[in-house]
Amino acid sequence: GEDVEQSLFLSVREGDSSVINCTYTDSSSTYLYWYKQEPGAGLQLLTYIFSNMDMKQDQRLTVLLNKKDKHLSLRIADTQTGDSAIYFCAESALSTGKLIFGQGTTLQVKP
Amino acid sequence: DTEVTQTPKHLVMGMTNKKSLKCEQHMGHRAMYWYKQKAKKPPELMFVYSYEKLSINESVPSRFSPECPNSSLLNLHLHALQPEDSALYLCASSQDRDRGAQYFGPGTRLTVL
Repeated sequence: GEDVEQSLFLSVREGDSSVINCTYTDSSSTYLYWYKQEPGAGLQLLTYIFSNMDMKQDQRLTVLLNKKDKHLSLRIADTQTGDSAIYFCAESALSTGKLIFGQGTTLQVKP
Repeated sequence: DTEVTQTPKHLVMGMTNKKSLKCEQHMGHRAMYWYKQKAKKPPELMFVYSYEKLSINESVPSRFSPECPNSSLLNLHLHALQPEDSALYLCASSQDRDRGAQYFGPGTRLTVL
């Protein structure tokens, strides 16, 4: 079945780059997503990548997709304290359109 | 505009109460979703509406009753809830069920006493 895995915690210093990793199992996924959730808030769509792309860049965010290894990463350049949040990776299941979420990675940014 | 709105922001209810959560979007999306989220966990899908018809019910107990009055509105009616139903309830919408990213609202924080 579909499964998405992420490491649970990442701590970086302000100004450094952060890399959050995700692996997925459904090779038929069409889109892969990154969402950000700040405490007490809903999920904010950060970016997404179509499964036939290798890379997508959007300002400080870079998404890399290795389809062979079913590995997705989100790089945040020049990480700021406002980037502290939980980051969820998600794949859309082709058969149902449902989002399959990873467990979320808590990013802690130290001043 | 990629905004999904939800009311109320917070709700406290007893186990015998009846209440409703409301969700609205004006992006012309034809799919709308209800999720339940416990602290530090990913959202769990509850219901999917596609073109105002219930498309997916993830075996949710009948004390949760969804309603889609029109293409912009989604309600979740609550009755005889249990304390374990306390959670953040998130609404989302997408272009349609099989296409487009899902955009989430800010959620309703529900506490059942």
